[in-house]
Amino acid sequence: QVQLVESGGGVVQPGRSLRLSCAASGFNLDHYGMHWVRQAPGKGLEWVAVVWYDGSKKYYADSVKGRFTISRDNSKNTVYLQMNSLRAEDTAVYYCARPFPPYGDYYFDNWGQGTLVTVSS
Amino acid sequence: DIQMTQSPSSLSASVGDRVTITCRASQGIRNDLGWYQQRPGKAPKCLIYAASSLEGGVPSRFSGSGSGTEFTLTISSLQPEDFGTYFCLQHNSYPWTFGQGTKVEMK
Repeated sequence: QVQLVESGGGVVQPGRSLRLSCAASGFNLDHYGMHWVRQAPGKGLEWVAVVWYDGSKKYYADSVKGRFTISRDNSKNTVYLQMNSLRAEDTAVYYCARPFPPYGDYYFDNWGQGTLVTVSS
Repeated sequence: DIQMTQSPSSLSASVGDRVTITCRASQGIRNDLGWYQQRPGKAPKCLIYAASSLEGGVPSRFSGSGSGTEFTLTISSLQPEDFGTYFCLQHNSYPWTFGQGTKVEMK
């Protein structure tokens, strides 16, 4: 079955960097774009970024543009989120999410369990 | 960017009640909207896509309607497992945007 497993979260000081990974299994990752969505403690959901199935296009939320980079390695079935210049307001659970349908981008039909990033000195 | 205004932010209801949640888009988004349920400590789950299509395995007491700028999620008869937080999400254009969420609590 489809499985998305995030990793790489942890506690990091403001201004430092962190890279999150999303390991995909149970489907052909190279048929799907992939997204990151985050949720600050006790708050709502915030869309973060998307990378198209072939990596040709990437889009970001204004709040992370210029600091975060989404990428993918289809040969490793993994999607990444490189987070630089981290701020306290980036503290959140980060989810990777798969949109449906293949090669499309209409709604999320599968989510990972999330990984917590805490930015604190 | 498209802003999604969701209301109410919270509601108290009893088992068997009819519950309605609304999302309003700051500009027309056709039917490019989904509804998601999130239980505490869990990832969200899609209930409705394309504004009114029921995701597979979702009970028929959930329904969605609307297009353009006004959208509604209805739970026809609230069940104990339905308590949680509900979000709308527009996918008409990047950046995708969520509504603020509606917390459904037991009265």
